[in-house]
Amino acid sequence: AQKVTQAQTEISVVEKEDVTLDCVYETRDTTYYLFWYKQPPSGELVFLIRRNSFDEQNEISGRYSWNFQKSTSSFNFTITASQVVDSAVYFCALTSSKLTFGTGTRLQVTL
Amino acid sequence: DSGVTQTPKHLITATGQRVTLRCSPRSGDLSVYWYQQSLDQGLQFLIQYYNGEERAKGNILERFSAQQFPDLHSELNLSSLELGDSALYFCASSSPSGTDYNEQFFGPGTRLTVL
Repeated sequence: AQKVTQAQTEISVVEKEDVTLDCVYETRDTTYYLFWYKQPPSGELVFLIRRNSFDEQNEISGRYSWNFQKSTSSFNFTITASQVVDSAVYFCALTSSKLTFGTGTRLQVTL
Repeated sequence: DSGVTQTPKHLITATGQRVTLRCSPRSGDLSVYWYQQSLDQGLQFLIQYYNGEERAKGNILERFSAQQFPDLHSELNLSSLELGDSALYFCASSSPSGTDYNEQFFGPGTRLTVL
């Protein structure tokens, strides 16, 4: 069985602050993929990143960065210099046979 | 825009009724997935089709069924509806490699309200 835990239910920050969203996963498989999706208030799910279990290299894309640590089964997501448009629910997900989502973290960025 | 389309956007119906949700995948994608998002259950995988065949089943109730047609569009049928079936239903598609490791692209969802 696989499981994804996003312990932070809701985070509120002021614009320009950095924020890290935590994701811890469980799986018995040696090959798996991890994902982050964003769900803005409009409701659609937007793909952000995919990372495979053999690639522990951190990734940066603009203000977004991801830290994958296999030793702690974590795949954390950091937004640098947050903006109001970053306000959304962020989901971490894991797949080896089917996609399992965490419960999501609601990020509220205020002025 | 993900390229995945879903109709209708909103659906309001009564308990005991049956509805059909429709999904068209991105051009070239062979896999279609259905998910249910509710406040108490979160995002739950329901079922996957690959090139017309059922590929994987998740937490799908027996009252629910799906199919994928030769043109690759998919329909999710929900019958004997209950209040608890009220949710946002997403369809997603992924690239035609046949593996389950590819990112999935989600449609805008169908919001079902059962009264």
